[in-house]
Amino acid sequence: GAVVSQHPSRVICKSGTSVKIECRSLDFQATTMFWYRQFPKQSLMLMATSNEGSKATYEQGVEKDKFLINHASLTLSTLTVTSAHPEDSSFYICSAGTPQYFGPGTRLTVL
Amino acid sequence: GENVEQHPSTLSVQEGDSAVIKCTYSDSASNYFPWYKQELGKGPQLIIDIRSNVGEKKDQRIAVTLNKTAKHFSLHITETQPEDSAVYFCAARFSNAGGTSYGKLTFGQGTILTVHP
Repeated sequence: GAVVSQHPSRVICKSGTSVKIECRSLDFQATTMFWYRQFPKQSLMLMATSNEGSKATYEQGVEKDKFLINHASLTLSTLTVTSAHPEDSSFYICSAGTPQYFGPGTRLTVL
Repeated sequence: GENVEQHPSTLSVQEGDSAVIKCTYSDSASNYFPWYKQELGKGPQLIIDIRSNVGEKKDQRIAVTLNKTAKHFSLHITETQPEDSAVYFCAARFSNAGGTSYGKLTFGQGTILTVHP
């Protein structure tokens, strides 16, 4: 199947700092990518749909000013968690393609 | 919007037995149903999917059945092996005929499958 990569795989940061997560489609172009958040032992929650060359579409309840999404090319979308706090600690996963393939995820821990 | 219910939440079987996970969906417009396997600390892996114009699809030990009238679909794993142990998620989505419409995936709650040697 198609390959989607994420970087970094895990990150630990101090409260108040910003963290950028990259999502890349390695062997195909993706005009749309999706960003999910997953808490332990829970299902995947869609945060936003990233659209190449235009603004992202955020799900209800997701703060667009806190979770900045940039889809600057057909193979790269980035999610920046601004002013991160401990409650932002979670597993962040991106996906792309049809059918939808997922990246390996990024474990964010905010101290 | 779409709502997907998945059962059971946990499933424990002996190696070699079959495992069945069931999902129901609410939006009759949904026409694409993938299943994902997620191992601890990893992203979900697509294992099989089915479109609404097909009633059943099989890939080696894995099969998916779809009942459009009842709006439910099931994952069947035969001859289970310990490496099948993982969390399984069903999902539903509307997709146009060409597969280019990016309707959002709605996920079920997940099933923790444990296969005992």
